[in-house]
Amino acid sequence: LAKTTQPISMDSYEGQEVNITCSHNNIATNDYITWYQQFPSQGPRFIIQGYKTKVTNEVASLFIPADRKSSTLSLPRVSLSDTAVYYCLVGESRLIFGTGTRLQVFP
Amino acid sequence: ETGVTQSPTHLIKTRGQQVTLRCSSQSGHNTVSWYQQALGQGPQFIFQYYREEENGRGNFPPRFSGLQFPNYSSELNVNALELDDSALYLCASSLQGLRSYEQYFGPGTRLTVT
Repeated sequence: LAKTTQPISMDSYEGQEVNITCSHNNIATNDYITWYQQFPSQGPRFIIQGYKTKVTNEVASLFIPADRKSSTLSLPRVSLSDTAVYYCLVGESRLIFGTGTRLQVFP
Repeated sequence: ETGVTQSPTHLIKTRGQQVTLRCSSQSGHNTVSWYQQALGQGPQFIFQYYREEENGRGNFPPRFSGLQFPNYSSELNVNALELDDSALYLCASSLQGLRSYEQYFGPGTRLTVT
């Protein structure tokens, strides 16, 4: 199972774009890249997934370079409610969570 | 469409006791996974059930066991509780095969072992 590396924490201000990069050098050919968001005392919430290039939904964008050894989650115009822990995962149905990136959004 | 629900919300047990946690999957989902999340850590995979059979297991001892029922609801049983078992236990449901990486988590059960 591929191991992921992401920053422990990030700070931002309301209205800014936030980019969280994740490294997954040992990603397998069949692995998808998935991002989850978790608020305190709640279960993680699926944000976005992708295999290659760029994926966009109503919440975020996911950028994946051709070698797929990294990915970047982009959150446009963050608000205070985006303060949470963000997890990058690779693989299939058995989700392997790391320690995630703790995003703090300030007013 | 109902989401994933878990019961109880909170639970306090004594070391050595046994506990059963319950989970109801999201409608239409046939796979359930259980995770343990210690304070300040990411969720750790315990095991997954698909069609009432265990379909993968993480690095947890046999005293952690589970069941999945025909209606796809599930139970997590932990025997001989230890202090380190204190954690948030999360259940997640998904549809096996297509988009199985997209799991829907319940709110969790907070277990405290004293």
